[in-house]
Amino acid sequence: GAVVSQHPSWVICKSGTSVKIECRSLDFQATTMFWYRQFPKQSLMLMATSNEGSKATYEQGVEKDKFLINHASLTLSTLTVTSAHPEDSSFYICSARAGQARGALYNEQFFGPGTRLTVL
Amino acid sequence: RKEVEQDPGPFNVPEGATVAFNCTYSNSASQSFFWYRQDCRKEPKLLMSVYSSGNEDGRFTAQLNRASQYISLLIRDSKLSDSATYLCVVNNFNKFYFGSGTKLNVKP
Repeated sequence: GAVVSQHPSWVICKSGTSVKIECRSLDFQATTMFWYRQFPKQSLMLMATSNEGSKATYEQGVEKDKFLINHASLTLSTLTVTSAHPEDSSFYICSARAGQARGALYNEQFFGPGTRLTVL
Repeated sequence: RKEVEQDPGPFNVPEGATVAFNCTYSNSASQSFFWYRQDCRKEPKLLMSVYSSGNEDGRFTAQLNRASQYISLLIRDSKLSDSATYLCVVNNFNKFYFGSGTKLNVKP
């Protein structure tokens, strides 16, 4: 099946620093990737939809200047949490829509393993 | 109203039991539906897509009722390894909405 990787898997940083998270589709091209955030015992909340070659579409309440998304190629999207604060501590998960990935339905999503961010 | 609603559970069942989860969605124009499984501190993994005619994959059966706007997941002969949180996912115009998940604990 389609494989999505994320890096780093966990990060601890000081308040005020910026953190970049990478999401890669390893064996297929993903024109659309999604970024989610999940707080403990809550569901995934969609933050933004990342489209290759164009600006990301952010969900209501998500600050685009704080969560910078770049989808520069068909296999890579990055999320940068700028000037991170303790309340940004969360589990960040990306996903890629299967599109034309072999053996997958068009609308299936494949998730990366997630990045656990802790801001001190 | 939330796009997708699920009973959070937990559902505590013995091994071998049959358990069913329901999920309701608010947008009647939703196009596709999925069940995902999420283990603690892990990413969600696709369990199965849900088709209008209903579909079965081994011990798992998914049903869609468009008129009542709900989907269901039935697990037969529960295994210890089925313990997880089951997420209902609905696709509206290329946006995916997740339910809060239903936690299942299968006990020996």
